[in-house]
Amino acid sequence: DAKTTQPNSMESNEEEPVHLPCNHSTISGTDYIHWYRQLPSQGPEYVIHGLTSNVNNRMASLAIAEDRKSSTLILHRATLRDAAVYYCILRVLNRDDKIIFGKGTRLHILP
Amino acid sequence: SQTIHQWPATLVQPVGSPLSLECTVEGTSNPNLYWYRQAAGRGLQLLFYSVGIGQISSEVPQNLSASRPQDRQFILSSKKLLLSDSGFYLCAWSVVGGSTDTQYFGPGTRLTVL
Repeated sequence: DAKTTQPNSMESNEEEPVHLPCNHSTISGTDYIHWYRQLPSQGPEYVIHGLTSNVNNRMASLAIAEDRKSSTLILHRATLRDAAVYYCILRVLNRDDKIIFGKGTRLHILP
Repeated sequence: SQTIHQWPATLVQPVGSPLSLECTVEGTSNPNLYWYRQAAGRGLQLLFYSVGIGQISSEVPQNLSASRPQDRQFILSSKKLLLSDSGFYLCAWSVVGGSTDTQYFGPGTRLTVL
């Protein structure tokens, strides 16, 4: 499976934008880039995904490098409720649809 | 709408006792089903997945087993629990069919083995 590399932890101030980086230099042409996040004592939840173009939804934006070897999850205005572990995952949509989670980035939001 | 249920929410069991955790999904048919475990302060580890009734794939060797007796029911079991089985157990489901596929996770079961 193609691997991703993320910083172990990041800090950001409340109501400021947050840019969470992810490196995936061995990404293949069929890999989709997905982001999940896990709030304390909860299961992970889907945030956003993309293939080549930048994507926006109500939760976040995803900026994908032109060579697709890296991507950035952007939270436009962080709140205390955004404190979580953020996982960057590469997915090939095979029948088994397995997700192998890495360690993710623990995001701390400072009030 | 689809919902996923897990029970119990918390469980404290002695070493050597049996285990049965149940997960059910409503509002969808023929989902893929998954069991994950998260040890304290650690990442998520995929334990089992199933693409259909009676079809179980194991990701890591362990003293746990999984079964799928019905389309939307996934059960995690053990005959004899070990201390190392303590953790947060999460069930998830997905429906494979396109680029927007997402895995949806249940509320989890926190298991403490003493």
